[in-house]
Amino acid sequence: NAGVTQTPKFRILKIGQSMTLQCTQDMNHNYMYWYRQDPGMGLKLIYYSVGAGITDKGEVPNGYNVSRSTTEDFPLRLELAAPSQTSVYFCASSPPQGPILTQHFGDGTRLSIL
Amino acid sequence: GENVEQHPSTLSVQEGDSAVIKCTYSDSASNYFPWYKQELGKRPQLIIDIRSNVGEKKDQRIAVTLNKTAKHFSLHITETQPEDSAVYFCAAKVWGGKLIFGQGTELSVKP
Repeated sequence: NAGVTQTPKFRILKIGQSMTLQCTQDMNHNYMYWYRQDPGMGLKLIYYSVGAGITDKGEVPNGYNVSRSTTEDFPLRLELAAPSQTSVYFCASSPPQGPILTQHFGDGTRLSIL
Repeated sequence: GENVEQHPSTLSVQEGDSAVIKCTYSDSASNYFPWYKQELGKRPQLIIDIRSNVGEKKDQRIAVTLNKTAKHFSLHITETQPEDSAVYFCAAKVWGGKLIFGQGTELSVKP
């Protein structure tokens, strides 16, 4: 299993540009999550999904959109990039509610908005 | 709202000493508490977790304790080594399977 795969690993955007951060997992996990981590800070939940077709806002959803058309994929969309969105973005997944609740993280996407 | 407080924000110990990191949570319905280790430029990785029906769990040099009444849990690392140097995050599971993370503790183990 590859686990959670994020692409791209690095990206520089200009203010106002848009892009999609890709996330895919091959563990058949129902739950998927997007976090952002600013330098020296903790993880803030942007959006999450409990299954295909179902998404919900986390702590800091403004400026982002998500979709979940399949169990495997959970892309994060930035429509109008702003400098405040410069951060490291982590995607994570976890199995359905049950005895094993661990979230598995991808390697992250380092995004700079200039 | 849902919140996890983590202390201290930085911790420096000598190699071989013990390190303790403490977290408190606000949601009394939380029943799962993982700890993650994040090395510089890397992803967070689970090092130990505990469920609410257990008061303590140990894995070699790492242990976690949970006090549900007081709504706090702690990470204990014994016989620290330089490779333990990293940022450690606690978290608490809330409704919908979400994890609320603490602010992180930067642990430095000096040889």
